[in-house]
Formats: sequence, C-alpha cells, structure tokens
Amino acid sequence: SAVISQKPSRDICQRGTSLTIQCQVDSQVTMMFWYRQQPGQSLTLIATANQGSEATYESGFVIDKFPISRPNLTFSTLTVSNMSPEDSSIYLCSVRLLEGYEQYFGPGTRLTVT
Amino acid sequence: EDKVVQSPLSLVVHEGDTVTLNCSYEVTNFRSLLWYKQEKKAPTFLFMLTSSGIEKKSGRLSSILDKKELFSILNITATQTGDSAVYLCAVNNYGQNFVFGPGTRLSVLP
Repeated sequence: SAVISQKPSRDICQRGTSLTIQCQVDSQVTMMFWYRQQPGQSLTLIATANQGSEATYESGFVIDKFPISRPNLTFSTLTVSNMSPEDSSIYLCSVRLLEGYEQYFGPGTRLTVT
Repeated sequence: EDKVVQSPLSLVVHEGDTVTLNCSYEVTNFRSLLWYKQEKKAPTFLFMLTSSGIEKKSGRLSSILDKKELFSILNITATQTGDSAVYLCAVNNYGQNFVFGPGTRLSVLP
C-alpha cells in the first residue's frame, strides 16, 4: 500500500479566491488522480495528473478552473480557481502503485466556499 | 458508457445481522472490481477482484465476483456499529480509471 498525505485537511474560502491542495505519497507511483466528492454524491474523477506533462481532464473539468501540477512521481497539486459555493466538496488525491493496480486514496481536503 | 450500479442505496440493520451488498456493472475491457469503505472523507480499500468465483475474505467481510453475470457482492457477517459506512464499488478497465457506483449507505444499530 501507500501512505498518502494531503494539505490542507480542510479550509473555508471566500468566493472568487483560489486554493491549492497538495498531495504527497511515500513511494513512487505510476498514476495520480484527483477526485471530487460533492455532498451526498459518489466520487467523480477530475483529472489524471501526469508526471512532467499536462494533466488529462475528464469531461466537465477544465485546466483553467482546476490547474494541476505533478513535478515528480510522489507529489501533485490541485488548484481550485475562482471558487464559488458550488465548489464546496471533498477533494481526494488517489494513487496507483508501480507494481500493481490497486488504487488508494489520501485523507481528503474538505473545502467550504462562502 | 461504463456504468456501475449498487443496491440497495441505503440499508439499516441491527448488530449481529448479516448483510449483502450488490454491485453490477457494464464496462468494456473489464480489468478489476474494487470495494471501498468510506466513513468520513477518504475511502479505504477493502478488496480487489479480478477473477470469477474466487472469494476474497478479510475477517467478517467477504466478496466474490461473477464476470459472466457482471456483478459482485460484498458480505458482512455479524455486523457491528463500526461497520456503519458508505460502501463503494468501483470498476476499472484496461488503461482507464475507475468508475464508481453511487455507494450503499449501511447503518448498523446497536
């Protein structure tokens, strides 16, 4: 398995501002993903964070709103830009290990936009 | 379009009961099916299933996959209040990411 940490664990932000969420893994991983879970909903994939290149976004998510960086195999950031109350969600980093394809989740970041 | 359906969506039982959670799927090039338990924020990994008919067990939890009928079940025996959570089923196909079901919210009453 992998130990995944996320910062911050929670934040309350004002409309129009941006928040960057960090994800750190204790081992090298092939794939890193960012998910969103809105209240009462299941997980929705935002994008796959690709090491050294632009992230691959799912339908309905765009780079201007959710810029992602992945400078190496153990770290990634997700920025939620120009936030609105609809962005209030739990944001989860997830990884798939080099040697297998089980997928693990970080502890999540609970974001509230007022 | 890949799809995962879980049933029931919500379930209330008493401690000691046995529950069966269902997950059916439609996915091209199926690779694996995973079960997660989500209590607060992050889902925690329970099982990964890739082959039909082979039961995976961990304590009071067990799961099995039927690739012909495209479903999986998660059994929890002798339920405890600590089993109260949302149980998520996710399916992966080759080269793609996971598609999650809506989850089953299990409440175990003392």
